[in-house]
Amino acid sequence: DAGITQSPRYKITETGRQVTLMCHQTWSHSYMFWYRQDLGHGLRLIYYSAAADITDKGEVPDGYVVSRSKTENFPLTLESATRSQTSVYFCASSESTGMVSGANVLTFGAGSRLTVL
Amino acid sequence: QKEVEQDPGPLSVPEGAIVSLNCTYSNSAFQYFMWYRQYSRKGPELLMYTYSSGNKEDGRFTAQVDKSSKYISLFIRDSQPSDSATYLCAMRQAGTALIFGKGTTLSVSS
Repeated sequence: DAGITQSPRYKITETGRQVTLMCHQTWSHSYMFWYRQDLGHGLRLIYYSAAADITDKGEVPDGYVVSRSKTENFPLTLESATRSQTSVYFCASSESTGMVSGANVLTFGAGSRLTVL
Repeated sequence: QKEVEQDPGPLSVPEGAIVSLNCTYSNSAFQYFMWYRQYSRKGPELLMYTYSSGNKEDGRFTAQVDKSSKYISLFIRDSQPSDSATYLCAMRQAGTALIFGKGTTLSVSS
């Protein structure tokens, strides 16, 4: 099925553990994004990628690592999870012109709900 | 001051009411303005998009941008229970990523 898929949808982990959230899109969109959504803060950008092997920090990158070896995948890794990283994480993608001009029309995945105990 | 301010609500209205949702912003370089709708436990989806100032209408929805006041609005006419969701404003300037407001939670009762 075409679209953007996140996995796992729900994850419970413990402080200090490494966690990887996966994101896969089937449109060959150039741009991919990771946001976290928290009550009182709304959506905040963690990292984004303009193409394979090109990534850049967003507003709240500390404690997160991303990679993009293939255009369709953009995994987000929490190397040593902390309680403050309990959140809902959204992956999104956008067409190639999204960042330069025109609408930054993001298509979001369904989210990954992460709880760090 | 955050770049984008949005009252989180919640906002409760009866079916058929006109709803007004608003955001203010501080960055005069913002050119692209969007409204996303997010249903519970789902990802946001694009509802309306406006470039620069002016109005845009799509069915029961109207988006307005007033760049002189740094103020954007979304109006929903004849609101329906299916409109119950969180509405997020988003905006950006050329070459940058979207900045989102915190979202306003709307509940429309039948």
